[in-house]
Amino acid sequence: EAQVTQNPRYLITVTGKKLTVTCSQNMNHEYMSWYRQDPGLGLRQIYYSMNVEVTDKGDVPEGYKVSRKEKRNFPLILESPSPNQTSLYFCASSSPDRGFLSYNSPLHFGNGTRLTVT
Amino acid sequence: SQQGEEDPQALSIQEGENATMNCSYKTSINNLQWYRQNSGRGLVHLILIRSNEREKHSGRLRVTLDTSKKSSSLLITASRAADTASYFCATALMDSNYQLIWGAGTKLIIKP
Repeated sequence: EAQVTQNPRYLITVTGKKLTVTCSQNMNHEYMSWYRQDPGLGLRQIYYSMNVEVTDKGDVPEGYKVSRKEKRNFPLILESPSPNQTSLYFCASSSPDRGFLSYNSPLHFGNGTRLTVT
Repeated sequence: SQQGEEDPQALSIQEGENATMNCSYKTSINNLQWYRQNSGRGLVHLILIRSNEREKHSGRLRVTLDTSKKSSSLLITASRAADTASYFCATALMDSNYQLIWGAGTKLIIKP
């Protein structure tokens, strides 16, 4: 089954304790992205990756790191989590339609990781 | 940066009625997409409409796009309890390098 898998589903941690949220897709998608979702703010993009070893900042990259060593995996790293990073996080992937200048393919989302930082 | 704004923020209707949600945006787009999110779960893609299209259908869903007014609407006909969810529009800007700009969503409740 084609899917985007995130782990863990729930995570409670303390300020400053490094953590990694994993994301893996089995659709051979080139494009992957991380979002955070907070009440009333919609989805805000953290980082995205156009392909292996190619990553770029989204709208809210501060306090986060990513890596794209393999096409299928795109982990999100919080080196020193803080309470303002308490949020619902989503990984998504797609294979952009190269016939157009911009984005014309739908995103496939994981089921989310609910992170609480105390 | 928030481009799309959904209206209304919340909508509660009886099962069987039609539900209409609107999305407005500010700058020129390549396409506009609608997604559904069931409580706390991942978003699911519903429909993508390109800037040169005016209307698209998928089952009970109908999406319209008016680029002159910079707005789109999502109509769900004959609503069902399973349609209860939040609905988001996302816009792909011209030359956006594959980034989508998201609205804050419309929360739809279908009463049995």
